[in-house]
Amino acid sequence: NAGVTQTPKFRILKIGQSMTLQCTQDMNHNYMYWYRQDPGMGLKLIYYSVGAGITDKGEVPNGYNVSRSTTEDFPLRLELAAPSQTSVYFCASSLGQGGEKLFFGSGTQLSVL
Amino acid sequence: GENVEQHPSTLSVQEGDSAVIKCTYSDSASNYFPWYKQELGKRPQLIIDIRSNVGEKKDQRIAVTLNKTAKHFSLHITETQPEDSAVYFCAASSRDSGTYKYIFGTGTRLKVLA
Repeated sequence: NAGVTQTPKFRILKIGQSMTLQCTQDMNHNYMYWYRQDPGMGLKLIYYSVGAGITDKGEVPNGYNVSRSTTEDFPLRLELAAPSQTSVYFCASSLGQGGEKLFFGSGTQLSVL
Repeated sequence: GENVEQHPSTLSVQEGDSAVIKCTYSDSASNYFPWYKQELGKRPQLIIDIRSNVGEKKDQRIAVTLNKTAKHFSLHITETQPEDSAVYFCAASSRDSGTYKYIFGTGTRLKVLA
């Protein structure tokens, strides 16, 4: 199993551009999450999903959108990128239903200039 | 809202000494408390976790204690080694609307000095 795979690993955006961060998992996990990690800070939850077709906001959802059309994929969309969205983004998944361990992807380092 | 406070933000210890990191959570419904280790440039990885029905859990040199009354839990690393140097995050999780939402602490940068 590849686990949780994120692409791209690095990206530089100009202010106002849009992009999609891709996340896919092959563990048949029900729950998926997007976190951002600012330098010297903890992980802040952006959005999460408990299954295909179901998504909900986390702590810091403004400026982002998600979709969950399949169990495997959970892309994160940035519209009108702003410097405040410069961060490292981690996708994670968990089995759910008592299997709470989070499995993280390798992260995407995003800079908005 | 839900909050997890973590202290200290940085911690330096001599190799072989013990390290203790403390977290306090606000949501009394929290029932699962994992600890993640993140090495430089890497993804966070689970090192130990504890559930609310247990007061202490140990795995070799790592232990976690939980005080539900005080809403406080701690990570203890004994006989520290240079490879223990990393950022450690605590988290609290509660079941909300059928899912487990994790709130993370701000992290502790541990440096083990040889």
